[in-house]
This record gives sequence, structure tokens and C-alpha cells, in this order.
Amino acid sequence: AQSVTQLGSHVSVSEGALVLLRCNYSSSVPPYLFWYVQYPNQGLQLLLKYTTGATLVKGINGFEAEFKKSETSFHLTKPSAHMSDAAEYFCAVSDPSNYQLIWGAGTKLIIKP
Amino acid sequence: ETGVTQSPTHLIKTRGQQVTLRCSSQSGHNTVSWYQQALGQGPQFIFQYYREEENGRGNFPPRFSGLQFPNYSSELNVNALELDDSALYLCASSRQGAIGEAFFGQGTRLTVV
Repeated sequence: AQSVTQLGSHVSVSEGALVLLRCNYSSSVPPYLFWYVQYPNQGLQLLLKYTTGATLVKGINGFEAEFKKSETSFHLTKPSAHMSDAAEYFCAVSDPSNYQLIWGAGTKLIIKP
Repeated sequence: ETGVTQSPTHLIKTRGQQVTLRCSSQSGHNTVSWYQQALGQGPQFIFQYYREEENGRGNFPPRFSGLQFPNYSSELNVNALELDDSALYLCASSRQGAIGEAFFGQGTRLTVV
């Protein structure tokens, strides 16, 4: 069975600082991995995804994530936080055979002025 | 804006009642997935419909049922509502095979009292 663990339900960083949101997964098959963002009272928006190929994946809004198979991790980073990045971020894994997404519990990113 | 619309946006029901939630998928998308997102948690996969057939189901009881119509829009029906059914219900549309590239609606907030 697949699972996703996001370390830290809340992460607080200062504007301009590095953003690091952690995601570890468990999967019996090579996984597809995703990061989504959810702004208040809105649906989920895809930030980036890893399926195959290059392990460093670039997404929208300056975010990127690196797939590390040996560490079963897919951490999300952004070099410099903006106030507009304040939102909840979800990591998800998909079994390539059935397209179902298994989600982490989410990390709320707080940006301090 | 994704083009996936859900209705209604908010709903209050009494325990034991039945509810129908609706989702219009994005143009060109033939697959609809439904998720339940309880407060403070990540989404939980309910089921997926592809070409009007159920194409995968999560760990939800049979009182959660769905339909997909020829225009690929979809309904989620929940019978015998329980207090724990209170949650944000998210619909996501995608093209079959477009792994993880699901576009989400804003959700329906269901409150069961």
C-alpha cells in the first residue's frame, strides 16, 4: 500500500527566506509524485509532478522538488518566499496502474513579513 | 481558473438525509474523481469515473455512490448522512492517462447537523 507523510503541519518562514516542505512516501512500485497547493476556500492546483526522467522537477511560481529514491523523499523548495505563497501544500503519490492519488495531511505555509 | 465547476458551494443537511453534489468537468476531460477532505486533513479518494463507468474506489461505504453522464459531468450521492460526512467534497477532472494532471473544482462544503 502507498502512503505519504508530510513532516510538519505548519511551517513558518520569513519573506525572502528559503522554503522547504518535506514529503516522504512509501510505495511498492515506482511512484508518480505530485505537489499541489490549496489557497483558502479554493480547490487544489498542481504545482509540479514527477513521473519519470529527471529527478529535479521545476513547477509553477518558482517551486521545485527533487525525487530521491534512496531517501523515499520528494521535498518541495523555493529559494525566496513571497507573501503570496501562504497556502496549504499537499504531497501526493499515485500508483501508475490506477491513477488514484494518495495524499499527505498537508503543510500550512505561513510567511512572516 | 480550471473550468471545473461544482454545485452547490455550501450545503447544510440533517443526519439521515440524502445529498447530491454535482460537478461539470473541464472540456476535453473524460475522467472525474471525487475526494472527501475533512477539516485539517488531506483529501481522501472516494471513486473515479471514466466513460460513465466506475473505475476505482477508495475505502468508502456503498452509501457513497456516483454517476457520470455522457457529457462527462458527474454526481456524487450520499445516503443516510452521518455527522462525520461533514467535509469539503472535491471533484477533479482529467484525461485518462494524464497522470496526476487533475483539475480541481472549488469544492462543496457539506455540513451535517
